[in-house]
Amino acid sequence: AQSVSQHNHHVILSEAASLELGCNYSYGGTVNLFWYVQYPGQHLQLLLKYFSGDPLVKGIKGFEAEFIKSKFSFNLRKPSVQWSDTAEYFCACPPQGGYFGSGTKLNVKP
Amino acid sequence: ETGVTQSPTHLIKTRGQQVTLRCSSQSGHNTVSWYQQALGQGPQFIFQYYREEENGRGNFPPRFSGLQFPNYSSELNVNALELDDSALYLCASSLRGQGLNEQYFGPGTRLTVT
Repeated sequence: AQSVSQHNHHVILSEAASLELGCNYSYGGTVNLFWYVQYPGQHLQLLLKYFSGDPLVKGIKGFEAEFIKSKFSFNLRKPSVQWSDTAEYFCACPPQGGYFGSGTKLNVKP
Repeated sequence: ETGVTQSPTHLIKTRGQQVTLRCSSQSGHNTVSWYQQALGQGPQFIFQYYREEENGRGNFPPRFSGLQFPNYSSELNVNALELDDSALYLCASSLRGQGLNEQYFGPGTRLTVT
């Protein structure tokens, strides 16, 4: 069955700490992968996406993710988090509407 | 450019009733997807509409139905409401034919079934 799983449900970091959020997918077709972010009180918005080519993709606000096909993973990273990165992060994999992970709540302490 | 809008913002219904939720796509988008997001979970795909036809469906019963109109706006209808239908309902629009289905989400409608 197609699915997306996120391992970390709640992460607490101090500012300037490095971040890595795990995402694994199970899908047999062409893989397009996304990370979405939902800041408090705001809509879900796209953070970055992988379509093809370079497996290391860069998104907004200094985030990046690496597609590792052999591990079925698409982990999100940021070298140094800021308080403003406090949000919920969702990994997603199409087709069509897409399959979302359960989300990771990131709380960055100032 | 106008973003995705949804109405109403909040809604309270009684078990067994029917509800209609509405979504206006972002300008220029031709595809609409609906999601159900229960508390503490990620969005669950309900269905997608493209050119006024259903273009894929998740694991939801037939009492969840939808429409897409010529202006690409959309409705989600839920019949015979159950308590478990209480959730945030998200609409997302995209432009099919641009390769990736990069979706733009609305603010959602919070449905409470009592």
